[in-house]
Amino acid sequence: RKEVEQDPGPFNVPEGATVAFNCTYSNSASQSFFWYRQDCRKEPKLLMSVYSSGNEDGRFTAQLNRASQYISLLIRDSKLSDSATYLCVVSLNDYKLSFGAGTTVTVRA
Amino acid sequence: GAVVSQHPSRVICKSGTSVKIECRSLDFQATTMFWYRQFPKQSLMLMATSNEGSKATYEQGVEKDKFLINHASLTLSTLTVTSAHPEDSSFYICSAAGSSGSPGRTDTQYFGPGTRLTVL
Repeated sequence: RKEVEQDPGPFNVPEGATVAFNCTYSNSASQSFFWYRQDCRKEPKLLMSVYSSGNEDGRFTAQLNRASQYISLLIRDSKLSDSATYLCVVSLNDYKLSFGAGTTVTVRA
Repeated sequence: GAVVSQHPSRVICKSGTSVKIECRSLDFQATTMFWYRQFPKQSLMLMATSNEGSKATYEQGVEKDKFLINHASLTLSTLTVTSAHPEDSSFYICSAAGSSGSPGRTDTQYFGPGTRLTVL
């Protein structure tokens, strides 16, 4: 079983729509959770950390459900520039990261 | 702040040659650097963790004699792919973890732009 599993998508949504997707992780001892964004043929960039209480950063909202071991990301009012692959990342400690394969989002005009 | 560079960005080589990739933290000292590999449509896979001045720790299934890692200073780590073969063609990405006092957060890894290796 993979440590981090994501729906690969793609999620094709019109501009202005809301899109949401989850990832699940297998190790219940995981401590830190992140969403990264990766554009085609580029390096991943940190989008946001995910906290137990849930957190919001502008149009992005992340939720963590430890009991069910899943993390979600919701994007409101989608922009064309939100088109990317979103990587769910989980860590047992501060440094060693386990990456999901990514969920592809395409926002169309 | 917290910028990581990688060089080269792209390399094409013949089978059997060795390729060295450099990873530098430009504005902070990185006590720990990480090397990842990403095949198309797959997740980043951690290859090894590199601590300055000590031997790298390799993940299971990664051959340490094939992927030589040197972390000689707090701002530079190198990955050498020895005797490269076509199956080694991949996107290699390094990351650096900030240390106390550096511009970046200590709980965040900052990624280099990656090196695309193609072995013919």
